[in-house]
Amino acid sequence: AQTVTQSQPEMSVQEAETVTLSCTYDTSESDYYLFWYKQPPSRQMILVIRQEAYKQQNATENRFSVNFQKAAKSFSLKISDSQLGDAAMYFCAYRGDNQAGTALIFGKGTTLSVSS
Amino acid sequence: DAMVIQNPRYQVTQFGKPVTLSCSQTLNHNVMYWYQQKSSQAPKLLFHYYDKDFNNEADTPDNFQSRRPNTSFCFLDIRSPGLGDAAMYLCATSLRDRQQETQYFGPGTRLLVL
Repeated sequence: AQTVTQSQPEMSVQEAETVTLSCTYDTSESDYYLFWYKQPPSRQMILVIRQEAYKQQNATENRFSVNFQKAAKSFSLKISDSQLGDAAMYFCAYRGDNQAGTALIFGKGTTLSVSS
Repeated sequence: DAMVIQNPRYQVTQFGKPVTLSCSQTLNHNVMYWYQQKSSQAPKLLFHYYDKDFNNEADTPDNFQSRRPNTSFCFLDIRSPGLGDAAMYLCATSLRDRQQETQYFGPGTRLLVL
């Protein structure tokens, strides 16, 4: 069975600084998708970034980028120029590429706090 | 804007009293999911619909049921809520497309059981 591990329950960063959230996963599949979701307190979970396993290039969305190391099964999220609005719970998630409706397998999340 | 809508945002029910949570979407996605998220935990999939085909997770209690009368709407029924069912319930949708199957979440319904 696939598993996702986020080893940092909490992280903190100062405004304008850079922070990296860690995620590792375990799978025997060769094709899959990886995601980072952001869930602010009492607010909607939104997609931050996604990565297809068959793509070697790391995904980037504005200030958010990933370091995808397929052989190491590592998928870290880097947030550059951190802003107060980045404070949230961040979930790393995995989805296999076998059929529709495949569940997202989430890590336990990392709570990111941003200080001014 | 296309979106996933959940009503109500907060629901209070009594122990054992049936409750229904609703989800609607304007994305025209053919897959709809229900997740349960307890405080400070990761979401856990309860079941999903792929078009009209219902798929239950093996460890989802029988107390939880779902209905999808059309593409846009999906309901979560809790037949006899217990105190342990208090949680955030998240609806998500996706489009069955190998290249684009990303799940989009609604804002959630927070259920309180008294």
